[in-house]
Amino acid sequence: SQTIHQWPATLVQPVGSPLSLECTVEGTSNPNLYWYRQAAGRGLQLLFYSVGIGQISSEVPQNLSASRPQDRQFILSSKKLLLSDSGFYLCAWRDSLNTEAFFGQGTRLTVV
Amino acid sequence: GNSVTQMEGPVTLSEEAFLTINCTYTATGYPSLFWYVQYPGEGLQLLLKATKADDKGSNKGFEATYRKETTSFHLEKGSVQVSDSAVYFCALLGYNFNKFYFGSGTKLNVKP
Repeated sequence: SQTIHQWPATLVQPVGSPLSLECTVEGTSNPNLYWYRQAAGRGLQLLFYSVGIGQISSEVPQNLSASRPQDRQFILSSKKLLLSDSGFYLCAWRDSLNTEAFFGQGTRLTVV
Repeated sequence: GNSVTQMEGPVTLSEEAFLTINCTYTATGYPSLFWYVQYPGEGLQLLLKATKADDKGSNKGFEATYRKETTSFHLEKGSVQVSDSAVYFCALLGYNFNKFYFGSGTKLNVKP
């Protein structure tokens, strides 16, 4: 069966520090991968998605970047965090066998 | 373009009351439609889905029917429980099968 791992679960980082959030998927090949952000009390904002290794589509110009170094690994990064980067970050995947997306448990990022 | 609009929350109901959360969409082509549920501090879980017009998705007593003529996918449950308290998201998968579009979420509070 397929599983998705996202870590860390919570993170507190100072303004100006770097960020690296990792997401891996098991049990499937060549999935579509997604990073979403959910600000407090708000909906989901699509940040990046990828349909293959090394292929990244950016939805919102901002302080973040994404990379897909392996087929089932998706990394969200920042060189210098801003206060406005605080939020709940969710990784998700979808493959050709399913129409629905499957989500990780999320990372609660607080920038102080 | 593609977008999802769902009713503003929070929605507060007493246990065993009838629930409706409205969702309408705008899409190019024929999207797939979904309802996801998010419990506090967790990622999103798929609640139900419908992939073509007139399909009815159902799960755990929740139902939603894909209405192409009204571009709607309203979520209903005949008798809510306290354990149904969560945030509910309506979503669509665009015709190119790459991007998911989410509504802003509706928080449901069920009181005993």
